[in-house]
Amino acid sequence: DGGITQSPKYLFRKEGQNVTLSCEQNLNHDAMYWYRQDPGQGLRLIYYSQIVNDFQKGDIAEGYSVSREKKESFPLTVTSAQKNPTAFYLCASSIRGSGYTFGSGTRLTVV
Amino acid sequence: AQSVTQPDIHITVSEGASLELRCNYSYGATPYLFWYVQSPGQGLQLLLKYFSGDTLVQGIKGFEAEFKRSQSSFNLRKPSVHWSDAAEYFCAVDLSRGGGTSYGKLTFGQGTILTVHP
Repeated sequence: DGGITQSPKYLFRKEGQNVTLSCEQNLNHDAMYWYRQDPGQGLRLIYYSQIVNDFQKGDIAEGYSVSREKKESFPLTVTSAQKNPTAFYLCASSIRGSGYTFGSGTRLTVV
Repeated sequence: AQSVTQPDIHITVSEGASLELRCNYSYGATPYLFWYVQSPGQGLQLLLKYFSGDTLVQGIKGFEAEFKRSQSSFNLRKPSVHWSDAAEYFCAVDLSRGGGTSYGKLTFGQGTILTVHP
């Protein structure tokens, strides 16, 4: 079955450390997205990519980086510049007009 | 500015009661419209979507939604709520229908948390 896989489900980061969240899809969707979710703040867009080798900043891109070297993959790196990275991170993919298919999320905690 | 508004942050209903969750959007043209549901610690699942045609759309889990162009609304309804419906619900719009470069990028409302009392 087609879908989106996010890994790991839980991730712990030490202060000053970079970590990478994985997102893989086999839906043949062109567009992929990363959202951050904090209690009471809805979904906030970090980065999105409409095509391989191209991506755009969302509303809260500072302290994050992405790459899109393959259509199927859109990893998110949370850098040490992100001062408050503890959150639930969601990856999604779409084709135009179809809505999103979401992954099951990664919960990142700073320890 | 284009926006999606879910006026109710938190709604509590009794099991078996009817439910209506409100969603309003601000946009010149009619966008594609969606409702998603999220259980704690999970991703979002698509409940239903509206593209065109019949303004009353049926979704999964017994949900339906009605598009009202005159009110720029897309409210979600369920005739009889079950305890398992307790979750957070998100309305979303795809503004790419009017052209431009958004290419399917969704704009989400802030979400409505549904609590179901036994």
